[in-house]
Amino acid sequence: DTGVSQDPRHKITKRGQNVTFRCDPISEHNRLYWYRQTLGQGPEFLTYFQNEAQLEKSRLLSDRFSAERPKGSFSTLEIQRTEQGDSAMYLCASSQSDVTEQFFGPGTRLTVL
Amino acid sequence: AQKVTQAQTEISVVEKEDVTLDCVYETRDTTYYLFWYKQPPSGELVFLIRRNSFDEQNEISGRYSWNFQKSTSSFNFTITASQVVDSAVYFCALSPDSNYQLIWGAGTKLIIKP
Repeated sequence: DTGVSQDPRHKITKRGQNVTFRCDPISEHNRLYWYRQTLGQGPEFLTYFQNEAQLEKSRLLSDRFSAERPKGSFSTLEIQRTEQGDSAMYLCASSQSDVTEQFFGPGTRLTVL
Repeated sequence: AQKVTQAQTEISVVEKEDVTLDCVYETRDTTYYLFWYKQPPSGELVFLIRRNSFDEQNEISGRYSWNFQKSTSSFNFTITASQVVDSAVYFCALSPDSNYQLIWGAGTKLIIKP
């Protein structure tokens, strides 16, 4: 039984570059969530999917951010033209659609230089 | 507005002491869910408990217990006979019924000293 996995675990990039993160949810989970967490804070909701449909996006998600879940399984989160303020831990979680516990992956720590 | 407040930024106790982490929430929804998660130094958030707004029974799981009181909008978490392995950041979160989005408190860093 595998949990939620995320790749890469760490990413260092220069300002202005594009980055893409991947999340593989627990296989039978229909819902997939992306959060961002900065040091000393709780996670902030970014967006979530039910199957392949993106149902909600936070206003925190600027137009430089895009997320996809093309086949309703894994998801990608892309950040274009990264800024230093994008440095954070990006967390992915999944849940069954009728159960609200969200199970989290280990996160991708992004550092923008 | 939906909000979760964890007023205790950091708590430090000696091993075997009991410790209570406070959580106060705000919501206008009549149906909602409350959660506690643990984030150890490794960083991965670990689910501990979920309660729905219609179930005010206290819950005990081993050394962990939770006290849910709608009258004071609180959902406090107590660790009995704390252990060094309990050292972590603990987050309380609220989920309104409408969309399962989690709204998080800022977390309480718990340090258990040997």
